[in-house]
Amino acid sequence: DGGITQSPKYLFRKEGQNVTLSCEQNLNHDAMYWYRQDPGQGLRLIYYSQIVNDFQKGDIAEGYSVSREKKESFPLTVTSAQKNPTAFYLCASSIIGGNQPQHFGDGTRLSIL
Amino acid sequence: RKEVEQDPGPFNVPEGATVAFNCTYSNSASQSFFWYRQDCRKEPKLLMSVYSSGNEDGRFTAQLNRASQYISLLIRDSKLSDSATYLCVVNTNAGKSTFGDGTTLTVKP
Repeated sequence: DGGITQSPKYLFRKEGQNVTLSCEQNLNHDAMYWYRQDPGQGLRLIYYSQIVNDFQKGDIAEGYSVSREKKESFPLTVTSAQKNPTAFYLCASSIIGGNQPQHFGDGTRLSIL
Repeated sequence: RKEVEQDPGPFNVPEGATVAFNCTYSNSASQSFFWYRQDCRKEPKLLMSVYSSGNEDGRFTAQLNRASQYISLLIRDSKLSDSATYLCVVNTNAGKSTFGDGTTLTVKP
């Protein structure tokens, strides 16, 4: 079955700690995205990548970092500089092109201990 | 002003009702349009694309008005299982997606 896998489903972070959220896709999509969703709010773009070894900041990149070493993988690190990391994190992928929809993983919920 | 705006609702309707959601967008270069459904504490899932001529998928009808820069979603014969948040998504031809904040629908028995 093709799809997007995010792990872990739930994650707890201690003060001053960096944590990494995993996102893997086997859809052969070139583009991958990370979003943050706060309760009762819409999705906000953190980072996106359209090709291996290249990525761009989204609207709220501060306190986050990403890498794209493989087409299938786009991990997100929430650094200690992100002072309010508690949120629902969603990874998505798509074929490149303006008329292509994004497909989402089932998300990671991050909380502060 | 947000690039994509939706009425947040909530819309509370009885089973069997017809309900319509609107979404307006500000970027006239927008090329493609989608409706997603998001259940509570779940990921968004693609409901349908929106085509210029309008399109239908069972009880769901999507319309696009480029001149007025809005899209709509009509749900006929609402079911309890239609209760969810509906997200409007607008893409530019560069592939940038902008999500609305969503409209919440609750269908009651």
